[in-house]
Amino acid sequence: DAGITQSPRYKITETGRQVTLMCHQTWSHSYMFWYRQDLGHGLRLIYYSAAADITDKGEVPDGYVVSRSKTENFPLTLESATRSQTSVYFCASSGGFTSYEQYFGPGTRLTVT
Amino acid sequence: AQSVAQPEDQVNVAEGNPLTVKCTYSVSGNPYLFWYVQYPNRGLQFLLKYITGDNLVKGSYGFEAEFNKSQTSFHLKKPSALVSDSALYFCAVRGNRDDKIIFGKGTRLHILP
Repeated sequence: DAGITQSPRYKITETGRQVTLMCHQTWSHSYMFWYRQDLGHGLRLIYYSAAADITDKGEVPDGYVVSRSKTENFPLTLESATRSQTSVYFCASSGGFTSYEQYFGPGTRLTVT
Repeated sequence: AQSVAQPEDQVNVAEGNPLTVKCTYSVSGNPYLFWYVQYPNRGLQFLLKYITGDNLVKGSYGFEAEFNKSQTSFHLKKPSALVSDSALYFCAVRGNRDDKIIFGKGTRLHILP
């Protein structure tokens, strides 16, 4: 089915480990986003990408790395996971930025022990 | 700096009654305003947006929102609530001079049978 998918849906990892969360969309949307959702904070933007090989920081980028070698994929890597990165991570895409709505994936629930 | 506020963490409404979920914002320049809904263990789904034009915007599932420039508000409304409307609702805003979309912290809507 067309749409936006995330994998894994659930992940438990240990402090200090590297973790990569995957995001794939089939709409050929130019923009892709990574958010984290935490109680009391709503959604906070981590990184976004306007096109392949173009990425930019959001509100909370520290401790995260992104890449976008292909339009359809936008992986998020936690280089050395910390307990404060325990969260639900959402990937989203949109056809543009200014006035376009975003389409969200189902989320990845990450627990760092 | 742009910001968005959802002053109510939770709203309870009896089924069949009208509902309102409040949102106020602060942006540079003209605002682009969005409402999203999140059902349990799902990603956010787009409901409606205001870009320009008529202040009353109609969206999915019978929802509508009214843009009020003088009060810098964009409240979500529905004339007759359904139990299935129970979910978490997010307001989001972007100014036409800003490069980030900011989400509110969310309002949990409970529709009581």
